[in-house]
Amino acid sequence: NAGVTQTPKFRVLKTGQSMTLLCAQDMNHEYMYWYRQDPGMGLRLIHYSVGEGTTAKGEVPDGYNVSRLKKQNFLLGLESAAPSQTSVYFCASSSWDSKAFFGQGTRLTVV
Amino acid sequence: SQQGEEDPQALSIQEGENATMNCSYKTSINNLQWYRQNSGRGLVHLILIRSNEREKHSGRLRVTLDTSKKSSSLLITASRAADTASYFCATDDGNYQLIWGAGTKLIIKP
Repeated sequence: NAGVTQTPKFRVLKTGQSMTLLCAQDMNHEYMYWYRQDPGMGLRLIHYSVGEGTTAKGEVPDGYNVSRLKKQNFLLGLESAAPSQTSVYFCASSSWDSKAFFGQGTRLTVV
Repeated sequence: SQQGEEDPQALSIQEGENATMNCSYKTSINNLQWYRQNSGRGLVHLILIRSNEREKHSGRLRVTLDTSKKSSSLLITASRAADTASYFCATDDGNYQLIWGAGTKLIIKP
């Protein structure tokens, strides 16, 4: 079972470059989330989606954009990367019972 | 903002001992969940306890919930080396988002 798949797993960007992180889930979940996790900290919600075609801001949305054109995919974009966006990014999905299933993470370094 | 606060931040015990970690939260909740994260990996759901439940068991895991004190505890009995991980609590307040604590880092010494 694939569950939640994130690509890429690692990436190094130069300041000002852009990139898109892809999250795909095969569990037919309505809700999808993008988090970032910094050393010694819990998860901080960047953006989330409660269904196809909908997105909403989380706790730390600045510098990021998202799209949910298909139910199974949730894309996270960085238009102009900054060193402060160096982090590990996790995608998660859940159904109505709110149990979250996570991808394996994307380790992003901005130099 | 993070709702959950976990205590302790780090815990080191001998294999075979029990490990207890606590989580406090601030608002009314529908449920509270515990997750495990092995180093560098994604989080894995362990157990969910609803607001009308007081205790729940799953294998070597025991979770309690006290809504009057807005707190929960996770007990891992007979710890094993494979239990070494970070443990996070998350609360569902019915607003489509889980609110996360900062986690407890558990180290099991052989």
